[in-house]
Amino acid sequence: EPEVTQTPSHQVTQMGQEVILRCVPISNHLYFYWYRQILGQKVEFLVSFYNNEISEKSEIFDDQFSVERPDGSNFTLKIRSTKLEDSAMYFCASMGDSLAKNIQYFGAGTRLSVL
Amino acid sequence: LAKTTQPISMDSYEGQEVNITCSHNNIATNDYITWYQQFPSQGPRFIIQGYKTKVTNEVASLFIPADRKSSTLSLPRVSLSDTAVYYCLVGDRTSGTYKYIFGTGTRLKVLA
Repeated sequence: EPEVTQTPSHQVTQMGQEVILRCVPISNHLYFYWYRQILGQKVEFLVSFYNNEISEKSEIFDDQFSVERPDGSNFTLKIRSTKLEDSAMYFCASMGDSLAKNIQYFGAGTRLSVL
Repeated sequence: LAKTTQPISMDSYEGQEVNITCSHNNIATNDYITWYQQFPSQGPRFIIQGYKTKVTNEVASLFIPADRKSSTLSLPRVSLSDTAVYYCLVGDRTSGTYKYIFGTGTRLKVLA
């Protein structure tokens, strides 16, 4: 079964450093998403991406965040200057090309620890 | 986007059927109802999706009454490995840009 893959599984960084979280969506999918989940809390939407541009973003997704699809397979989330409160699990999701079956499939996540 | 309400937690025993109900009073005409399962430190995993009446797949059934203001996820004969958090989500399936608004979910604990 095709799956969304995320790397690394765990990223440790110092406050103020830049991090890039990587995702490989399911190959024929066209819609891409990032969510985050702070430990013990609910999953929160960050951003949706379609046709090489952001479709929608939440208030969490401020100027410190950016997303990119640098090639035909990867989808990345960059945090320019990490803060302690950015520590969380970050999930990538992708959705297919058929509006008749819009189901988001999630990756296993990247645990980001900001020290 | 429609807000969902679920019980915070449920306990069950192995082999029992578990029904988790979700309220979504302000569901819109184009909204579909989707259920996900999440284990600790893993991403949400799709279980089932429906629009109205009943949907069944190899792992669960989804019951949606005519007014669509609620839905019930039914897990037949649960096992210990079904211990997880279950999320009910509603979203407009006609737009690919829609975001999922996760609630707190229902924490299901299956006991031996």
